[in-house]
Amino acid sequence: QVQLVQSGAEVKKPGASVKVSCKASGYTFTSYGISWVRQAPGQGLEWMGWISAYNGNTNYAQKLQGRVTMTTDTSTSTAYMELRSLRSDDTAVYYCARQYPGGRDGMDVWGQGTTVTVSS
Amino acid sequence: QSVLTQPPSVSGAPGQRVTISCTGSSSNIGAGYDVHWYQQLPGTAPKLLIYGNSNRPSGVPDRFSGSKSGTSASLAITGLQAEDEADYYCQSYDSSLSASYVFGTGTKVTVL
Repeated sequence: QVQLVQSGAEVKKPGASVKVSCKASGYTFTSYGISWVRQAPGQGLEWMGWISAYNGNTNYAQKLQGRVTMTTDTSTSTAYMELRSLRSDDTAVYYCARQYPGGRDGMDVWGQGTTVTVSS
Repeated sequence: QSVLTQPPSVSGAPGQRVTISCTGSSSNIGAGYDVHWYQQLPGTAPKLLIYGNSNRPSGVPDRFSGSKSGTSASLAITGLQAEDEADYYCQSYDSSLSASYVFGTGTKVTVL
């Protein structure tokens, strides 16, 4: 079945970096893109960016430009999201979601989420 | 702050009909971009409920329906059930300076 499986929870200190992985299975990885979405405790959903698994093109949320990098490894059907210079307000659950280029069909498959805690 | 505004909460008794609005602007919903809806049960990942304004993915009950008009969209739940108690989010694309996908502020549905 189509699924996205994310890496485990992380605890980081302010100023550090975190890299979350998202392994896809059950579909042709390069036919879709991956969006990353985060949710701070008790808050709503925030779109972070999108990467094409076909050619690596990216589109990042303006507020995260310069701190976030999204990549893919087509040999392992895995997407990665790295966030640098972590602050306490980066504490959140981070989700990856499959999204067709152009977003016409929404984000139709989601990972289980990865909790990132930023604390000194 | 999100550019798509939803009511913080709606409630209804079992069997009733509730609607959730999603109000945008001329740079997102009003520009013709599709609206999608997600259901998030407590402690779980969001789930796609409606895509392309009014289409249900396989497995989503027909109690859920979506519509779009002008700069707004709506999600309707008819025959409300206890298992529908969750957070609901609309999502679209915004073509303003910070061109990006955007989520609504979210609505908590409570079944009385």
